[in-house]
Amino acid sequence: EDKVVQSPLSLVVHEGDTVTLNCSYEVTNFRSLLWYKQEKKAPTFLFMLTSSGIEKKSGRLSSILDKKELFSILNITATQTGDSAIYLCAPQTGANNLFFGTGTRLTVIP
Amino acid sequence: DGGITQSPKYLFRKEGQNVTLSCEQNLNHDAMYWYRQDPGQGLRLIYYSQIVNDFQKGDIAEGYSVSREKKESFPLTVTSAQKNPTAFYLCASSTRMTANSPLHFGNGTRLTVT
Repeated sequence: EDKVVQSPLSLVVHEGDTVTLNCSYEVTNFRSLLWYKQEKKAPTFLFMLTSSGIEKKSGRLSSILDKKELFSILNITATQTGDSAIYLCAPQTGANNLFFGTGTRLTVIP
Repeated sequence: DGGITQSPKYLFRKEGQNVTLSCEQNLNHDAMYWYRQDPGQGLRLIYYSQIVNDFQKGDIAEGYSVSREKKESFPLTVTSAQKNPTAFYLCASSTRMTANSPLHFGNGTRLTVT
């Protein structure tokens, strides 16, 4: 059975802190792994990772995939209150489906 | 601006009534999807469509129906057969249904059935 586990489930940090969000997965026919940020409504796309060990960066956010150990991490440095959101991890399978985790709820307090 | 529009934002219905959620996109995307989001659970796929006039069941299709008569539109009907319809429904689209086409989501419809 396909499984995605995100940890921690929730996290509260102060502005300026660095956070690491974890995603471990077990899915059949793995193709890629996507990270989304969901603030109030629509999840917005952050990263798509297909190769192990290659870090993708966008500003203060970065992410990396380990296909051997079946996990990915999302790092956010110098956090801001605008980073408060639910971060969703979603492996994409050979059926071209996304299998979403339950998400990590990040709260950044001033 | 291109995007995905879901309407209405909030919908209230009595048990036993069918209800249709609208999803329109002007991104010229071939593939469209419907997900359901419940507290404490990940998004779960209800139906998806790769091209016009074709659609496939996702993981939790029972009690739902869809149509894809136009490329831009993928309405979802929640029927009275759906045992627990109260949820947040998200529509998404992608250029095509391949591993290199990230999903773009609409803002969702929150359905409450009493």
